[in-house]
Amino acid sequence: QQQVKQSPQSLIVQKGGIPIINCAYENTAFDYFPWYQQFPGKGPALLIAIRPDVSEKKEGRFTISFNKSAKQFSLHIMDSQPGDSATYFCAAGGGSQGNLIFGKGTKLSVKP
Amino acid sequence: NAGVMQNPRHLVRRRGQEARLRCSPMKGHSHVYWYRQLPEEGLKFMVYLQKENIIDESGMPKERFSAEFPKEGPSILRIQQVVRGDSAAYFCASSQFMNTEAFFGQGTRLTVV
Repeated sequence: QQQVKQSPQSLIVQKGGIPIINCAYENTAFDYFPWYQQFPGKGPALLIAIRPDVSEKKEGRFTISFNKSAKQFSLHIMDSQPGDSATYFCAAGGGSQGNLIFGKGTKLSVKP
Repeated sequence: NAGVMQNPRHLVRRRGQEARLRCSPMKGHSHVYWYRQLPEEGLKFMVYLQKENIIDESGMPKERFSAEFPKEGPSILRIQQVVRGDSAAYFCASSQFMNTEAFFGQGTRLTVV
């Protein structure tokens, strides 16, 4: 019940494309859903986060869509650039779960 | 405002030695989390601490691993009698409150030879 399932494992898109990464959770007590971006050799950097009271949140080219009934959320990257090539992690936390539970990550490659 | 500071960035230990990893949270943050990451894998939760207290250590091996977050000074993750399987990147994150934005450090890459 504590798992967060992330897909796909890897993704290749052309510059300007819109990669979509999906995550699903089981614990209905989760109420905080962040996305992190990680470059090789670096720590994860917080990109954007959402809480269940909204169905969508946009920050720059990054958008989170949230479906509470399906217990799913996804990250869309608009007008993707080669510099967006990185590994993206979704996570979930909340309720009595003080720490974040992470998905296994999606390695995104944006081709020029 | 400095971010989460971890040191050392790289640490090499021989089998059987002790590894001590340090994490200074962001200013104003009293919640600290440690995660382990193996190459090409996700972040596995190890332990969650608040000043002077261990809140959740369910992800930390029962033997050889310990963590503390004293009233003064950084949080320490200690691995005694390291084995090759301990080789990984260890990340620390901090947050101001529970279940809010958590910010990560650059990690300590431990290599056991």
